[in-house]
Amino acid sequence: DSGVTQTPKHLITATGQRVTLRCSPRSGDLSVYWYQQSLDQGLQFLIQYYNGEERAKGNILERFSAQQFPDLHSELNLSSLELGDSALYFCASSEWGQAYEQYFGPGTRLTVT
Amino acid sequence: LAKTTQPISMDSYEGQEVNITCSHNNIATNDYITWYQQFPSQGPRFIIQGYKTKVTNEVASLFIPADRKSSTLSLPRVSLSDTAVYYCLVGETGGFKTIFGAGTRLFVKA
Repeated sequence: DSGVTQTPKHLITATGQRVTLRCSPRSGDLSVYWYQQSLDQGLQFLIQYYNGEERAKGNILERFSAQQFPDLHSELNLSSLELGDSALYFCASSEWGQAYEQYFGPGTRLTVT
Repeated sequence: LAKTTQPISMDSYEGQEVNITCSHNNIATNDYITWYQQFPSQGPRFIIQGYKTKVTNEVASLFIPADRKSSTLSLPRVSLSDTAVYYCLVGETGGFKTIFGAGTRLFVKA
């Protein structure tokens, strides 16, 4: 158990819909990262937050957005969903200054039908 | 961010030592080398991190030559449960973007 929690575990929705994925980092970790992993794309870095502020963006679509709240939990919002958005979405957290020692949650499996 | 190159896949047998090498020719002075393990449908798990020479923990060893242009993850006496994808990452520990490459698929056979 990494200490990072993600909800829901599974999500099935239709094209065009909007969903919110939630992540709670390990106790004490201020940095949160979001990744998307699909079969043909590998593990793709989406976005990183540190203590409520966005710090880095990767291959995140404009239809996707995220935020980190004062209690440090983070949410990833996916809108106008397309079939190609079906993937595993992972959240990870780390201590400040330890960006490469990340602890990953169990992931949310999103299926868009 | 330094680019990394790893073998796409490797096969081994139970009880053998497995060495996975990662090339990172343009590694910067402040970059660290980090390895992760990922099982299917699970998030990656941090294995080991190092800067130079050798680092060992209860799971693996990491060998880094003096020029730091490559690194080798060594898994002693692998078991079937070590079948997974292993990722090599290179970057500053205070950095932000973490780029996972394709990794190395290790398949351990009985």
